Amino acid sequence: QSALTQPRSVSGSPGQSVTISCTGTSSDVGGYNYVSWYQQHPGKAPKLMIYDVSRRPSGVPDRFSGSKSGNTASLTISGLQAEDEADYYCCAYAGSNTFVVFGGGTKLTVL
Amino acid sequence: QVQLQESGPGLVKSSQTLSLTCTVSGGSISSGSFYWSWIRQPAGEGLEWIGRISTSGSTNYNPSLKSRITISVDSSKTQFSLKLTSVTAADTAVYYCARWSIHDGIFDYWGQGTLVTVSS
Repeated sequence: QSALTQPRSVSGSPGQSVTISCTGTSSDVGGYNYVSWYQQHPGKAPKLMIYDVSRRPSGVPDRFSGSKSGNTASLTISGLQAEDEADYYCCAYAGSNTFVVFGGGTKLTVL
Repeated sequence: QVQLQESGPGLVKSSQTLSLTCTVSGGSISSGSFYWSWIRQPAGEGLEWIGRISTSGSTNYNPSLKSRITISVDSSKTQFSLKLTSVTAADTAVYYCARWSIHDGIFDYWGQGTLVTVSS
């Protein structure tokens, strides 16, 4: 059982938009703005796509955006492309004791 | 460019101790701006944070694993290590080392991961 709840899978056609949710508690997602999203292709290490809820690292396309409302964070991918097909994980800072928690991951399929 | 590389046995017998080392290159392991973490991923499953260490040696461990984990750092060798005792098949996973940026609250650099299989 992961600490943060994500849908197991989402799908969309090329050019469409999809949103992946990440639900936690007031002790993690809702308590801090240290929410990040990682993309993972099979056999590869996770890659940072969004941090501080909505900031994009250099090199990440602006098709990727993040937001948060209460205890739920969201990742939106617009203008879907074939290479976006991957697993996506949310991660939230949860204080100095628990430190961080991950979501269970969402498999994005580009139809 | 910062690089992290995991190393250690790929096969560990049940009830024994899993030992992995992460070698950091291209950056200082002694900077107080970062924590050094271990994360694992069983096949087909999600990411699980194992624990982290600062350069001063302070640690945080996942409560579910705390009784079996030791993370240590050797700044002179630019390495940090993981020991997980009394392993079972449930500990079979890809183990990643990663750097946590304190300022940004992110895992900004990851190793490529190493598969550790626990055999009976």
